[in-house]
Formats: sequence, structure tokens, C-alpha cells
Amino acid sequence: RKEVEQDPGPFNVPEGATVAFNCTYSNSASQSFFWYRQDCRKEPKLLMSVYSSGNEDGRFTAQLNRASQYISLLIRDSKLSDSATYLCVVKEGGRAGKSTFGDGTTLTVKP
Amino acid sequence: DVKVTQSSRYLVKRTGEKVFLECVQDMDHENMFWYRQDPGLGLRLIYFSYDVKMKEKGDIPEGYSVSREKKERFSLILESASTNQTSMYLCASSSPGGQPQHFGDGTRLSIL
Repeated sequence: RKEVEQDPGPFNVPEGATVAFNCTYSNSASQSFFWYRQDCRKEPKLLMSVYSSGNEDGRFTAQLNRASQYISLLIRDSKLSDSATYLCVVKEGGRAGKSTFGDGTTLTVKP
Repeated sequence: DVKVTQSSRYLVKRTGEKVFLECVQDMDHENMFWYRQDPGLGLRLIYFSYDVKMKEKGDIPEGYSVSREKKERFSLILESASTNQTSMYLCASSSPGGQPQHFGDGTRLSIL
């Protein structure tokens, strides 16, 4: 079983749709959580951190459930430019702070 | 903004060559990482470093070594390149604790 699991998709949605991605992790000692976005043949870029209380950045909302070891990302009013692969990332505590990346969920937003 | 710079975007080398991939970050980050990314396999950690001259093996260190002589620079070395090391190589850096990693643009390495 992978340490971080994501539904690979692909998710194909029309513009304006709301779409949600889920991620589960197995290491209960994980301390920090993030969503990254990766465009085709580019590097991953930080989309947002995920906090226990839930947090929002414009059309994006992230949630964390530590008890269930579950992270989610909600995208409202999808844009064509949201088409990308979304990576869930779980980070250990401590000095080195090793991160474990999910394999990503691919989203295609269509006109 | 954090800037992580990798020395080459594209690189073509021959089997058996010693290959150096360089990474420099400008944010005084303690931690630096090297990954490779292949279709269907996601990001895999090769090596990481949490201080100058310190290094730790990641999940797939075989065939690679690293060097961190200065805080801002982390080098990945392919001791004797093989065709199965053809991949996208990504360098990242971060502060310790709960801070996210920031990635360079990546190096697409082809070994012929």
C-alpha cells in the first residue's frame, strides 16, 4: 500500500463545474500537508497548504481530517486553466522534513 | 519568491559517462532534495540533505551520489550513466519543519 494514495482520474469536467479530489495517507505522525499543481512537462508548484481548520484561497478549498487521515481539495467554478495534475503531499516533522508525494490526480476542464 | 535553479533544462549523455546535475537555491534553505519523475511512477526521492556536507539516501539512491559543499548548492552525480536513468530530474529546497518544498524547472536527461 502506498503511503499517500490519490485517485489518478482523469477527471474530465466542463467549465464552471465543481470538482473534488481526495487523498489518504498512512503515516499518522505526518505533520504538514500540501496540494501542488503540475502542468504537463513542468515542475510541481505549490498550490496551497492544508490546515486542520480547513482553508480557502479563491476558488480552491482544502480540508484535512487527521482522524481519518484524509485530505481533500475542492475547486469551484472550474476554468480551462485549471487543467493540470494535482499532487497531494504529506510531510514528516523533524529537521529533514521528508515529504511524500501522491502520484497525482489529472484534471481536464473542457469548454 | 524562492528561486531554485537547475543547471540544464535538457541534457543528452552517453552510457557510461559521469553526469553532474547542479542545483542552486537562493533562500538560505537548510533542506535540499533530488527526485526523479517517470510516467506512471510519480516523484521518487533519490537523495536529500538537511545541512552542508550532510546527505541521506532516499528511496532510490542506487547509481547516484550527491554533494553538498555549500548551503545553496546540491549536486546530483550519476557515477556511470545507464539508459534506465533517462528521466526528468527535479531539485527542491525547503526550510525545516512544516514548510513546503520549492522546485526547480527540472532537467530532462536522456542517456543514449
